[in-house]
Order: sequence, then C-alpha cells, then structure tokens
Amino acid sequence: EAQVTQNPRYLITVTGKKLTVTCSQNMNHEYMSWYRQDPGLGLRQIYYSMNVEVTDKGDVPEGYKVSRKEKRNFPLILESPSPNQTSLYFCASSLIPGAHGYTFGSGTRLTVV
Amino acid sequence: AQKITQTQPGMFVQEKEAVTLDCTYDTSDPSYGLFWYKQPSSGEMIFLIYQGSYDQQNATEGRYSLNFQKARKSANLVISASQLGDSAMYFCAMRVISSGSARQLTFGSGTQLTVLP
Repeated sequence: EAQVTQNPRYLITVTGKKLTVTCSQNMNHEYMSWYRQDPGLGLRQIYYSMNVEVTDKGDVPEGYKVSRKEKRNFPLILESPSPNQTSLYFCASSLIPGAHGYTFGSGTRLTVV
Repeated sequence: AQKITQTQPGMFVQEKEAVTLDCTYDTSDPSYGLFWYKQPSSGEMIFLIYQGSYDQQNATEGRYSLNFQKARKSANLVISASQLGDSAMYFCAMRVISSGSARQLTFGSGTQLTVLP
C-alpha cells in the first residue's frame, strides 16, 4: 500500500530533551515536507526537501532540523523542544514537478511540558 | 507570496442538504493548483478534489465539486447531499508551479463543518 508512515503517533516530552519524529514513504516521491498544525492557523510548512541532500526552510523553521540522506526518509529533529512546539505534525510527500497534491502521514501529536 | 483565506471558521448543514465552503486565494503566478482536504476528528488528512488554474471545467469527484472562479480568485467546495460522516475540518490549499519546480502547498485556516441529523 502506498503510504507515508510517521512515528510516533503521540509523544509527550519535557523541555530541552532532544527528539526525532520519523517519516518514511514508499512511493519513490522526490518531494517531502513537514507541516505543523495549530488551531486557527491551518497547516504551516516547517521544512521541505526536493530530493536527497536537498532541503530548505519553510515558513516556520525555527527550532527544527531535518535531513534527507535517503529518498524515502525525512526525519524531523527537535534539538531542544520548547512548549511552543506543542502541536500536531504532519509529514507529506509528492511527485514533482506538477500539480500533484500531497500524500500525508497520519500525524504526530507532540506535547512539550 | 501565496495566501489562502477561508472566512468561515464553522458551518452547520442539515443532513441531505448541499453546503458551500468558501475559499479565496492570492497569487501572482499564472500556473497553480487548488486542493481541498478533509480532516476528520481522527486527524488524518484526506485529499478530496483538485483544480488546475488552466482547467476549463470545474472539477467534480462524486458528491464534491469545486466552483472555480478564476477572475474572482475563488475556489469554493460544494458538497451535495451532506452525510453525517462529512462532519470534519476542511482545508483549502494552493500549490504554485513556477520555474519548473513545484512549490509548497499553502493552506487556509480551515472550516469546521458539522452535519446535523
């Protein structure tokens, strides 16, 4: 089944403790992206990647890191999480170029206390 | 910069009636795609319908149709014959295609639709 797999689904952590949210897709998509969703703000892009070793900042990159060492994987790293990073996170992938929508992962609900 | 505006934070509709969810967009690029996604309470994002900026006809997918008015920069979603399972958050989104590469998908703030029995 074609899908984007995110892990974990739920995560509660403490301020300052480094964490990684994994994302993997099995569709050979070039484009991968991370979004965060907050009430009233919709989804905002954190980082995206056009291909292996090619990453760039989205609209809200502060406090996050990403890497794209393999085409299928695009982990999101929070080096020192803070409470304002409590949010619902989505990984997504798509073919490029063209007018393709995204395939989304199931989401990761992160709480930083 | 691209922007998507959804002015209806919440909508109610009676079961079996039609409902229109509003979406306006702003971009200076001539080539773009417009999308609608559904997010039920379980949280996943479900793709509903797509409209390209050069498409001559309005997109339809089952009970979903997209009322595309290019001059007004609007891309409203119409759901016909609403069902209880349509209760969800709905997001309008746009992807600009320029310079041979596809840019990010920009989302609106969403509309929470509640279908009443």
